[in-house]
Amino acid sequence: RKEVEQDPGPFNVPEGATVAFNCTYSNSASQSFFWYRQDCRKEPKLLMSVYSSGNEDGRFTAQLNRASQYISLLIRDSKLSDSATYLCVVNNPTGGGNKLTFGTGTQLKVEL
Amino acid sequence: GAVVSQHPSWVICKSGTSVKIECRSLDFQATTMFWYRQFPKQSLMLMATSNEGSKATYEQGVEKDKFLINHASLTLSTLTVTSAHPEDSSFYICSATDIYTEAFFGQGTRLTVV
Repeated sequence: RKEVEQDPGPFNVPEGATVAFNCTYSNSASQSFFWYRQDCRKEPKLLMSVYSSGNEDGRFTAQLNRASQYISLLIRDSKLSDSATYLCVVNNPTGGGNKLTFGTGTQLKVEL
Repeated sequence: GAVVSQHPSWVICKSGTSVKIECRSLDFQATTMFWYRQFPKQSLMLMATSNEGSKATYEQGVEKDKFLINHASLTLSTLTVTSAHPEDSSFYICSATDIYTEAFFGQGTRLTVV
C-alpha cells in the first residue's frame, strides 16, 4: 500500500461546479497534512494546511479524518484558474527531522 | 512566505558530465531539505532527505554515489548528479523546512542530458 494515495483523475468539471478530492494515508503516526497545488512545469505551492477541526479558505475547504486516515479538499464555485494538479502531502517527523510524502496528485480541469 | 532559491533553472549537459544544483533558503534556517525528482506526468518522487550537518538519507532505489547531496549550512544544500546519462533527464526540485512548518519549494531545475 502506498503511503499516500490519491485518485489521479483527471476530473473534468464545468466552471462553477463543486468538486472534492480525497486522499488516504497509511501511517497513523502522521502529524501534519497539507494540500499543495502544482501547475504544469512549475514547482508545487502550498494551498492550505489541514487541521483536525477542518478549515476553510475562501472557496476551499479541507477536512481531516484521523480515525479513517483520510484527508479531503473541497472546491466550491470552481474557476478556470483552478485547473491544476492537487497534491496531498503528509508530514511524518523522523528522528532527524521531517519527512514529507507526496501523493501522486489529482488533476483537475475546469471547463467553460 | 519564505523563499527558497534554486538554480540553475535549466541545464543541458553532455552525457558523462556532472551537474551541480543549488538550493538556498533565503530568509529562514532550513533544518531539513528535501530533493525530489519529477518525470513528465508523474508525481514528485523523494530522492533524499538531508539535515544540516549530517549525511543525507536516500530513498530506496536512489544511488547515493550518483546523486551527491551536501547540506553544509542551514541555508544551503547542493545536489550533484555525477556522470549524468540521458535517463537522468528530469525536473529536480528542492524544498526546505524547519520542523512543523510547511515546506517551501525551489523553482526547480530542468536537467536535459544529451
